[in-house]
Amino acid sequence: EPEVTQTPSHQVTQMGQEVILRCVPISNHLYFYWYRQILGQKVEFLVSFYNNEISEKSEIFDDQFSVERPDGSNFTLKIRSTKLEDSAMYFCASRWGGSYEQYFGPGTRLTVT
Amino acid sequence: AQSVTQPDIHITVSEGASLELRCNYSYGATPYLFWYVQSPGQGLQLLLKYFSGDTLVQGIKGFEAEFKRSQSSFNLRKPSVHWSDAAEYFCAVAQISSGSARQLTFGSGTQLTVLP
Repeated sequence: EPEVTQTPSHQVTQMGQEVILRCVPISNHLYFYWYRQILGQKVEFLVSFYNNEISEKSEIFDDQFSVERPDGSNFTLKIRSTKLEDSAMYFCASRWGGSYEQYFGPGTRLTVT
Repeated sequence: AQSVTQPDIHITVSEGASLELRCNYSYGATPYLFWYVQSPGQGLQLLLKYFSGDTLVQGIKGFEAEFKRSQSSFNLRKPSVHWSDAAEYFCAVAQISSGSARQLTFGSGTQLTVLP
């Protein structure tokens, strides 16, 4: 069964450093998403991506964040200058155009020190 | 804006007992509703979904959920819980926006503990 994959599973970085979180969505899916879950809190929407552009973004997704689909398979989230409060689990999700259910990857735990 | 409320932060049941996890949503139109499960260290796995039609929907692992428009609820049920069901359960609603991205709004989650 196709799955969404994410790498790395855990990333530790220092405050102010840039990080890139990588995702490989399910191959025939058209919509791609990033969510985050700060420890003990709700899963929160960050951004959605369709047809090679951002379609929706939340207030959390400020200028420090960017997304890219550099090729036909990868979907990346970049944080330019990490802050302590960026420490969270980041989930990638994808969905096929004809349905509304999203399939999630296993997440990348980002720890900013 | 839509919202999802899961009133129970933590539920403990004995193995073999029945289970009901509550979910209430606030949404102006017909909602697209989901239940996801997150086991420790794992991602979010889709258990079931409701879009339209029959208000009782069946999912994986023996779970079912019932959509009740009059109560704005979408409660998750299982007749007999297994120890492997211990996990965190999230209810979510798909947001209808000007586009078609339909990002999900999640509840706070309910942590399920299963006693032997």
